[in-house]
This record gives sequence, structure tokens and C-alpha cells, in this order.
Amino acid sequence: NAGVMQNPRHLVRRRGQEARLRCSPMKGHSHVYWYRQLPEEGLKFMVYLQKENIIDESGMPKERFSAEFPKEGPSILRIQQVVRGDSAAYFCASSLKGETEAFFGQGTRLTVV
Amino acid sequence: EDKVVQSPLSLVVHEGDTVTLNCSYEVTNFRSLLWYKQEKKAPTFLFMLTSSGIEKKSGRLSSILDKKELFSILNITATQTGDSAIYLCASLRGRGGADGLTFGKGTHLIIQP
Repeated sequence: NAGVMQNPRHLVRRRGQEARLRCSPMKGHSHVYWYRQLPEEGLKFMVYLQKENIIDESGMPKERFSAEFPKEGPSILRIQQVVRGDSAAYFCASSLKGETEAFFGQGTRLTVV
Repeated sequence: EDKVVQSPLSLVVHEGDTVTLNCSYEVTNFRSLLWYKQEKKAPTFLFMLTSSGIEKKSGRLSSILDKKELFSILNITATQTGDSAIYLCASLRGRGGADGLTFGKGTHLIIQP
């Protein structure tokens, strides 16, 4: 039973480009969460999605960031017009139900140059 | 705003020593406290504590929650170099899923041979 899969593991983008981060939850999990970890800071919640629905996006920056979890395929975190401050590790977690333990993926390290 | 504070931020000990990591929290509608171990990859789940005063153990690791004083400790006995990692504490609030997680900044533990 594969764990939460994120890709790519490392992503380098120039300022102004778009970054797309993918997350495939564990088999049978329909709840997905995205977190961002900045240097010297803890993990910060960004968005919570179920299939085709955004449940809680209170941690998402208002501009340039969007997330989706389509009926088929992985969840996508999209960052448009990236800036240096977007450089961070982005983690995805999934859970079976909304109130159970969440399992984390390996993370995607985004570097904006 | 929910707050989780971990101490110390970093700790260097010798193999075989016992360490205690601290986590205090101020959370509205607190439900549980979780400990994760983060190495050069995804945070891996260690414990979830919901009831006060009940110790949870897994091998050389143990943890306990004090809901009156709003803190938790994570103990590691007979430390090994493989215990070197960042240990994250997170509070889980109310209903819902991992979108209710607030993470501390972590304790960076280094075990020297």
C-alpha cells in the first residue's frame, strides 16, 4: 500500500513562472491537506480538499495560489507568477476520513531563482 | 490565534542519554495533541494524545499530555543516532480534519555517537 506520493520532489522555477505540485493520496483516502514549511518555521496549513471540493482554504494566500482535487487524478497545488518568498517545502497529507490521522507525503521542495 | 511552542529549539546529546522535549499550546476548542518525527523527508506520526495523564509508549519513546497546564512532553530513553531528527508537536482543534492542525517550530535533536 503506497503512501502519499508527491511529485516532483524538487522543483526550480524562475520568478514569474508557474509551479505545479502534485499529490496522490494514499489508496482509499479522499481527504487531502496541503502544508507549507518555510525555513525556521513550522508547518503551516494551507488548504483542505475532498474530491472536487475545497473544504477549508483559510491558510491559502489570497492571490497566485490555487488548489484542486479532481474526481480523477492527483491533487494539484498551483502557484502562479512565483516569487522568491514562495521558496519552501510543500507537504501534502491525506486521511481516510476528515477526523482521522493524516499521513504525510515526502514533500516538494520549491526553489525560486 | 492558536499557538504551539516547543522547547528547546535544538538539543545535542550523546548516545544513550535520555531526552525530554516540551510542547505547550494555546488552542481554542482543543481536541488532541500530536507528535511527529521529521527527518529528511515527510513527518512521520508518533503519537496522538487526547486524554490528560495517560502515557503513550512506543519502544523507547513515550509521551504524556497535561490538559490543565496545557503542555505535553515527549521522552526518548537510551537515545541512538537514528533518533536525530526534528520533532514536531501539533495541536488539533475542534471537529474536522488535519486542517485544524497547528504545528510548533520543532525541536532539532542531534544525537552524537
